[in-house]
Amino acid sequence: GQQLNQSPQSMFIQEGEDVSMNCTSSSIFNTWLWYKQEPGEGPVLLIALYKAGELTSNGRLTAQFGITRKDSFLNISASIPSDVGIYFCAGQLTTGNQFYFGTGTSLTVIP
Amino acid sequence: GAVVSQHPSRVICKSGTSVKIECRSLDFQATTMFWYRQFPKKSLMLMATSNEGSKATYEQGVEKDKFLINHASLTLSTLTVTSAHPEDSSFYICSARTPGLGPEKLFFGSGTQLSVL
Repeated sequence: GQQLNQSPQSMFIQEGEDVSMNCTSSSIFNTWLWYKQEPGEGPVLLIALYKAGELTSNGRLTAQFGITRKDSFLNISASIPSDVGIYFCAGQLTTGNQFYFGTGTSLTVIP
Repeated sequence: GAVVSQHPSRVICKSGTSVKIECRSLDFQATTMFWYRQFPKKSLMLMATSNEGSKATYEQGVEKDKFLINHASLTLSTLTVTSAHPEDSSFYICSARTPGLGPEKLFFGSGTQLSVL
């Protein structure tokens, strides 16, 4: 299967700081999705990206579809304690195929 | 976003028994659903792709006779863990893909924590 490398693996930040994480692949994807998962829950879709270079925001979250189509980025501005969780990227090679998941970034926000 | 309901959220069973987990798409029809297994602090591991009206497609290393999948309608897929053993204890999650030929999204159920004693 496809390998999606997500970094950093974990982050410990102060409340109010901005957060950046990324997801990279050796293959070209046509769809990138970003999710947040809290303990004991299923992942919740945050942002969906479908075009190279696309920049999409959802509140304090902004994600970008990399120009090379092999990577994607997620930024969280002015972090708050409820941002705590594991963030996953997911990529799809072509429409109709399965989604591959990144290894996850665990975010801890210190009040 | 679309809603995917998964039940039960938690189940404890004795070794040797079978457990059924349901995954429903509440406000859209899903011809394809996916079943995952997740270990603590790890990523999602795809087990199988559930296709409405046809046999599920299992990933390499997943025993199809142990993890029975049925996708009898456009809104319901079930995963049955047969003759469960302690090593089957895990967090199981389903997802459903939004239909159509356009951009796709994947929505997840809330997961089922299975504990086999």
